[in-house]
Amino acid sequence: GEDVEQSLFLSVREGDSSVINCTYTDSSSTYLYWYKQEPGAGLQLLTYIFSNMDMKQDQRLTVLLNKKDKHLSLRIADTQTGDSAIYFCAESIRGSYIPTFGRGTSLIVHP
Amino acid sequence: GAVVSQHPSWVICKSGTSVKIECRSLDFQATTMFWYRQFPKQSLMLMATSNEGSKATYEQGVEKDKFLINHASLTLSTLTVTSAHPEDSSFYICSARGGLAGDISPYDNEQFFGPGTRLTVL
Repeated sequence: GEDVEQSLFLSVREGDSSVINCTYTDSSSTYLYWYKQEPGAGLQLLTYIFSNMDMKQDQRLTVLLNKKDKHLSLRIADTQTGDSAIYFCAESIRGSYIPTFGRGTSLIVHP
Repeated sequence: GAVVSQHPSWVICKSGTSVKIECRSLDFQATTMFWYRQFPKQSLMLMATSNEGSKATYEQGVEKDKFLINHASLTLSTLTVTSAHPEDSSFYICSARGGLAGDISPYDNEQFFGPGTRLTVL
């Protein structure tokens, strides 16, 4: 199987919360990342979490890490149409900072 | 924030021809540039890492004679797909990093990504 797995699509209504899930296999992963890719643009680093953390919050974004289950999630509160994009989960090992990416989850926000 | 551009954004070529893709860091000096390849509904796969002025380091399974990488300056790296074939059709993405390597933080080592180049080989 792949090193980083995530579902391909998520559809939510504007104003609702979105939760994008990701699982990874490498127990030596040190940093877990979430990237956003809007149409025609490059990947943008949204946030990251260190492996010894359980949660990180940044405005509307909440990252939860379950290291035992190797499960990472990104919650977007009050989702807006501008949040429609592809979200990539990624991981890297200590000192590398070169991420290994999942396939990306397309988030579609509808009115 | 830091901006990375790629040119062209898309290219269609005949089988057997060579195609050059440029990656530029517009407002910072990129000590390291990365080239990725992405197939539809697949993850980004790292092809190679290049440091300015030195030879690129290729990932396992990537043919260095097929994918020529030149990182001649701190703001420009090029990827040349030589003798392209239909199976080389893909989305090629570059990224650039200006931070120092070492155990600092991901933001200090952040890669800034270009918008990608769609290559179609007929």
